[in-house]
Amino acid sequence: EVQLVESGGGSVQPGGSLRLSCVASGFIFSVSSLNWVRQAPGEGLECVSYISSTSSTIFYADSVKGRFTISRDNAKNSVYLQMNNLTVEDTAVYYCAGGDFWSGYHPWGEGTLVTVSS
Amino acid sequence: IQLTQSPSSLPASVGDRVIITCRASQGISTYLAWYQQKPGKAPKLLIYAASTLQSGVPSRFSGSGSGTDFALTISSLQPEDFAAYYCQQLNGYPYTFGQGTKLEIK
Repeated sequence: EVQLVESGGGSVQPGGSLRLSCVASGFIFSVSSLNWVRQAPGEGLECVSYISSTSSTIFYADSVKGRFTISRDNAKNSVYLQMNNLTVEDTAVYYCAGGDFWSGYHPWGEGTLVTVSS
Repeated sequence: IQLTQSPSSLPASVGDRVIITCRASQGISTYLAWYQQKPGKAPKLLIYAASTLQSGVPSRFSGSGSGTDFALTISSLQPEDFAAYYCQQLNGYPYTFGQGTKLEIK
């Protein structure tokens, strides 16, 4: 079964940091591009970051550039999102998703909630 | 690239044929995907490359369009289809989403 499982979410104060993890199973992780997508409560979807299969290409949304860092460990079938200097606007469910521009995003994890509040 | 979906809300009945449109602020060829999202769940890929049906998705779903104008058609609504639908452009990062269309029971 193709599966992505996120972890690392939680509550943090403004200015704090969190590191999200996403572990994959059931597909060839090492040749797959990975993405982080977030959804604020009651809002739409926002692409946060992208990393290619070899980590040679990385993109960030302007809203997180300079604060978030995406990385991956193909030996562990895992992708990470290091989030620093968090603000209340970063409060959202963060989803890990596979896929690239030619295929759309599939599969998706179930998401992990990040709450930034004082 | 901005995506504008219409309508934002769509009341419909089981058996109806419904069409949701998505307009891009500039040409994106066929780099467009459609997703279904149910409350509390992750989005599910329905269509990619504007008109290619994702494996396992029922054939009542279809996509069309290229350039700036796209459409998602559900030929005969089933009870499990009432959900939110999003388009996404993948022509250039950030791969932006439309604001969503909520398909509601009439």
